[in-house]
Amino acid sequence: EPEVTQTPSHQVTQMGQEVILRCVPISNHLYFYWYRQILGQKVEFLVSFYNNEISEKSEIFDDQFSVERPDGSNFTLKIRSTKLEDSAMYFCASNRQGADSPLHFGNGTRLTVT
Amino acid sequence: GQQVMQIPQYQHVQEGEDFTTYCNSSTTLSNIQWYKQRPGGHPVFLIQLVKSGEVKKQKRLTFQFGEAKKNSSLHITATQTTDVGTYFCAEINTGTASKLTFGTGTRLQVTL
Repeated sequence: EPEVTQTPSHQVTQMGQEVILRCVPISNHLYFYWYRQILGQKVEFLVSFYNNEISEKSEIFDDQFSVERPDGSNFTLKIRSTKLEDSAMYFCASNRQGADSPLHFGNGTRLTVT
Repeated sequence: GQQVMQIPQYQHVQEGEDFTTYCNSSTTLSNIQWYKQRPGGHPVFLIQLVKSGEVKKQKRLTFQFGEAKKNSSLHITATQTTDVGTYFCAEINTGTASKLTFGTGTRLQVTL
């Protein structure tokens, strides 16, 4: 069964540094998402992406965040200047038909900001 | 903002006991999805409910959507240790096309 893949599995960075988290969504999916989960807490929506543009974004997704689909397979999340509170598990997800169809999640990237 | 509350936050049961988690929204939902996240894992889709009053079953799991489409429940009969994890409901608010908001989650611990 096709999977969403994410790299790296764990990223450690210093405060103020830029990070790029990478995802390869399932190939025939059209909608792509980033969620984050601070340890032990709920899964928080960051952004959805469809047809090469952002569909919706949350209050968390401020100017420090950006997403890109640089080619036909990758979907990236960039955090320009990381803060300690950005430490979390970041999940990429994809689906075929937007919010009406099941989300398929990747295994996540654990981001630790020191 | 959109609030999706789940109760309880945590439940510890002995294997064989039943378990129920409840999901309540402040708004009317177009549909609701349920996910399970094992410890250290990622959320995995379980089911989607669309119709008012809908009830769906998956083996020992029973999912229900409220008549007013503002609440939902997941009931597990005769829990097993493999049921351990956090169960999240996730809602799509009417009017949004691509934003799925997760509930606060219920963590289930099952011991022998």
